[in-house]
Amino acid sequence: SQQGEEDPQALSIQEGENATMNCSYKTSINNLQWYRQNSGRGLVHLILIRSNEREKHSGRLRVTLDTSKKSSSLLITASRAADTASYFCALLLDAGNNRKLIWGLGTSLAVNP
Amino acid sequence: GAGVSQSPSNKVTEKGKDVELRCDPISGHTALYWYRQRLGQGLEFLIYFQGNSAPDKSGLPSDRFSAERTGESVSTLTIQRTQQEDSAVYLCASSAQGAGYGYTFGSGTRLTVV
Repeated sequence: SQQGEEDPQALSIQEGENATMNCSYKTSINNLQWYRQNSGRGLVHLILIRSNEREKHSGRLRVTLDTSKKSSSLLITASRAADTASYFCALLLDAGNNRKLIWGLGTSLAVNP
Repeated sequence: GAGVSQSPSNKVTEKGKDVELRCDPISGHTALYWYRQRLGQGLEFLIYFQGNSAPDKSGLPSDRFSAERTGESVSTLTIQRTQQEDSAVYLCASSAQGAGYGYTFGSGTRLTVV
């Protein structure tokens, strides 16, 4: 399968702790994107990392990409209850096929107050 | 509009009836995508529109599903003779420059077939 595979499937932490989610894939990518979904509805684009980048930051989010291992991680620092959501990675396989993303099945994060 | 708008937000229909779901993308976004998401599952690609190009229909699960888009504006997803397995959240997303730059999603339509 070309889809991203997130792990863990579910993660439960206490407020203030850091949360790390991983995404692995099997083929070459142009970029990898992380999205958040609350309450099973619309997804929100969080961050995009290109294949020639190794790390990006956005607020409390830190994304790394290791193309040799075909994996990415999303770190949320100092988590809050409002971070409770499902997190998905999505892959753009080829810049020439700038059509649709390939989605993983998501990591469900619960941040307990 | 400021975001991607989908309507209705919830739809309950009887098995065998037709339903029509609507998506208003962000103005100026040339790319529009429909996805289906079953409870607790990931996103299942349905169809993709890009400008005036022929749509990519490769994800439509059966001929009961069809979608149209007028130019670079509103899109409708039609499901004929609905079945219980069609129950899901149907998500629409648009993008200004294609998938490589990220999507903006609507809040979805939750379809329940009883």
